Amino acid sequence: NAGVTQTPKFRVLKTGQSMTLLCAQDMNHEYMYWYRQDPGMGLRLIHYSVGEGTTAKGEVPDGYNVSRLKKQNFLLGLESAAPSQTSVYFCASSHSDTQYFGPGTRLTVL
Amino acid sequence: AQSVTQLGSHVSVSEGALVLLRCNYSSSVPPYLFWYVQYPNQGLQLLLKYTTGATLVKGINGFEAEFKKSETSFHLTKPSAHMSDAAEYFCAVSDQAGGTSYGKLTFGQGTILTVHP
Repeated sequence: NAGVTQTPKFRVLKTGQSMTLLCAQDMNHEYMYWYRQDPGMGLRLIHYSVGEGTTAKGEVPDGYNVSRLKKQNFLLGLESAAPSQTSVYFCASSHSDTQYFGPGTRLTVL
Repeated sequence: AQSVTQLGSHVSVSEGALVLLRCNYSSSVPPYLFWYVQYPNQGLQLLLKYTTGATLVKGINGFEAEFKKSETSFHLTKPSAHMSDAAEYFCAVSDQAGGTSYGKLTFGQGTILTVHP
């Protein structure tokens, strides 16, 4: 039982490049979330999903897209990366009011 | 809209001393409240949560928190700090599960706890 895993762990992009972050969970949770963590700002919700095939915007969705084609996977895409998207990205899934977090992806956009 | 304020971005204590991390929240509906801990270069781990029932909640590693509705607070305490408690702590609030909330969390800014020998 791996819990929530994230791929990759680190990535450096140039401005304008695109990439996809993968989140996978093996706990059969319906709800999944993507957050970004910036110093002094806590975690902010980017997008979330309440089930396979559904997604919704969170607090800071601009510049990101998501997809939930399979229940266990939640993908976060950056179509044209900007330096403001330099951050640590966390994925989570939830059950019984508790969110379980992945280890994070550290993204730097130059 | 919900919000969370953690008083003090950095707290420093001596080993064996009381740990007190402050959290105040704002919510238009009865909240669910959480404390998460983040060790360096790791994800967040749930310490404890309040949903309904007893207002004093005990969590892992000897931590506890008390929900005080009249003060809109959910402060985290531990009687005796240990070196291994050094980490960043986040308070979070969620609307009650169900409805259109879907368990979304609003986090505070975080408090870094340093423990001195």
